Amino acid sequence: AQSVTQLDSQVPVFEEAPVELRCNYSSSVSVYLFWYVQYPNQGLQLLLKYLSGSTLVKGINGFEAEFNKSQTSFHLRKPSVHISDTAEYFCAVSGLSAGNKLTFGGGTRVLVKP
Amino acid sequence: GAGVSQTPSNKVTEKGKYVELRCDPISGHTALYWYRQSLGQGPEFLIYFQGTGAADDSGLPNDRFFAVRPEGSVSTLKIQRTERGDSAVYLCASSRPDRGNQPQHFGDGTRLSIL
Repeated sequence: AQSVTQLDSQVPVFEEAPVELRCNYSSSVSVYLFWYVQYPNQGLQLLLKYLSGSTLVKGINGFEAEFNKSQTSFHLRKPSVHISDTAEYFCAVSGLSAGNKLTFGGGTRVLVKP
Repeated sequence: GAGVSQTPSNKVTEKGKYVELRCDPISGHTALYWYRQSLGQGPEFLIYFQGTGAADDSGLPNDRFFAVRPEGSVSTLKIQRTERGDSAVYLCASSRPDRGNQPQHFGDGTRLSIL
């Protein structure tokens, strides 16, 4: 079984400041890791994914995440946020086999203030 | 190109009624998933189709929930005898048929409200 914990339910941040969203996972098998963003009344959009290789992953909209196997973490960062980054962010894991379902964390709501 | 399409976008119905939610995946995506997202929570897996068959239905909460994908493309999630606790956003996602490294592409969801 797999589980994902997002340690912060809400993160207020000022425009142009950096932000870090924390994600820890638990799994008895190797996993793939994902970050999705959800804007109001929309579905989820993939920000980035870690499959293998370099532990620093770059995604869309200036986001990046670092996989840390020893700490079972996959924290998301952005050096300078915009008002348009206000959204809910979900960390997720899946197994390595075909058709493996995503297990999501509870989400972190980011509110960017001017 | 066209993304995952879900209809209706909103559905309001009375307790006890039957509802159908439709998902039209991205062309060429043979893997299709349904998730349920309750207010303030992350999505939870319901069922996964590979082609026409349900390869994993372990997330369906009870036998009031059923899903089909008869031609391997469009899928319908069916809920019988709806209860107020079924109120949620139902998300559909599709992906290419390879290993789990293929990202899932999500539709905008159907917001279901049971009165």
